[in-house]
Amino acid sequence: GAGVSQSPRYKVAKRGQDVALRCDPISGHVSLFWYQQALGQGPEFLTYFQNEAQLDKSGLPSDRFFAERPEGSVSTLKIQRTQQEDSAVYLCASSKLAYSYNEQFFGPGTRLTVL
Amino acid sequence: AQSVTQPDIHITVSEGASLELRCNYSYGATPYLFWYVQSPGQGLQLLLKYFSGDTLVQGIKGFEAEFKRSQSSFNLRKPSVHWSDAAEYFCAVGGTGTDKLIFGTGTRLQVFP
Repeated sequence: GAGVSQSPRYKVAKRGQDVALRCDPISGHVSLFWYQQALGQGPEFLTYFQNEAQLDKSGLPSDRFFAERPEGSVSTLKIQRTQQEDSAVYLCASSKLAYSYNEQFFGPGTRLTVL
Repeated sequence: AQSVTQPDIHITVSEGASLELRCNYSYGATPYLFWYVQSPGQGLQLLLKYFSGDTLVQGIKGFEAEFKRSQSSFNLRKPSVHWSDAAEYFCAVGGTGTDKLIFGTGTRLQVFP
């Protein structure tokens, strides 16, 4: 079976551009997470969905970041007016059920470079 | 505040030697503890997890970890390291009342033949 997939794998944006990052979770997984991993750091939580409901967006660094999961499956993380500090790897993870004791399966990430 | 500390940024061992990666956590409620491994260009893969019960947990690839509540630690061990174990290792904590994981900054493991 397929794992979590993310696209694009690499994205280069000029400062000020808008970008959209896609995550395809494992089919049937209820929970979906977005994390940001800066160079040399561990992943940091951005936001969490349970089906189509965004239950926690406390980690989104600014109102330039927006995430959606309209049909409870595919999710998109959108960053408006990108800044250099947005350069990072964006990781998506899904889990079969809710709650953190369930294993989160991670995608390979999208490496965003803002010039 | 909830946090995870991995004191060792980089560890180098010889193939066949034993390994211990340190992890300390701070968490106000009952912690759920995880170790993930990340190879270059790959997503994170779960090695093992602790929720309750036996404080020594076994994982994949011959790894084990021991939960010590008194020391707020969850150190990862392997008795004999293989060259393919070279990767970045992350400790993470979750718990009751939350769905997200809090990760440490990672330990990069280098294995010499």
